[in-house]
Amino acid sequence: EVQLLESGGGLVQPGGSLRLSCAGSGFTFSSYAMTWVRQAPGEGLRWVSGISGSDGSTYYADSVKGRFTISKDYSKNTLYLQMNSLRAEDTAVYYCAKCVGGIASGMDVWGQGTTVTVSS
Amino acid sequence: QSALTQPASVSGSPGQSITISCTGTSSDVGGYNSVSWYQHHPGKAPKLMIYEVSNRPSGVSNRFSGSKSGNTASLTVSGLQAEDEADYYCSSYTRSSTLVFGGGTKLTVL
Repeated sequence: EVQLLESGGGLVQPGGSLRLSCAGSGFTFSSYAMTWVRQAPGEGLRWVSGISGSDGSTYYADSVKGRFTISKDYSKNTLYLQMNSLRAEDTAVYYCAKCVGGIASGMDVWGQGTTVTVSS
Repeated sequence: QSALTQPASVSGSPGQSITISCTGTSSDVGGYNSVSWYQHHPGKAPKLMIYEVSNRPSGVSNRFSGSKSGNTASLTVSGLQAEDEADYYCSSYTRSSTLVFGGGTKLTVL
């Protein structure tokens, strides 16, 4: 069974950092693009970042560019999101998702989400 | 990147059909056959219902179908059932090599 399990969320002060992890099982990490999507309280889904399966190219929403870094460890089948210079507006549930193929193909497997709260 | 435009809410009675629209631009919806639709029950993980405009993943009911005309994509749910009540989001690949979601549509089964 294909599964994703996020971890690393928590409470952090504005300006702080946090690293989210997403452990995958049941599929070959290098064959699929992966993404991070978030949902702030009372709001809709927002795409955050993506990484291609083959060459590791990375992509970011304007709202996080320069502050967040997506990466993956093929040996551990784990996706990461390093979040720096966090702001109150980054407060959200963060989901990792596996794409059907490339980053444009749609996200067919999702984790249950991890909550990030940015507050003093 | 501006969010795609979806109606805030739609409703229908059991057995009826509804359609949710998703309007973008030629830089996203209109420029690529890369529109997806997701069903989201609060507190649960989103579920892929349609990908690449009209493809249905294995296990998704054939009551769900997708289409696109110009800069507007549509999700149709036929034979509405109580369990279809959820939030629905469209997303599209964009010219900037990013993804963009719609604002979401709350489907109510009356």
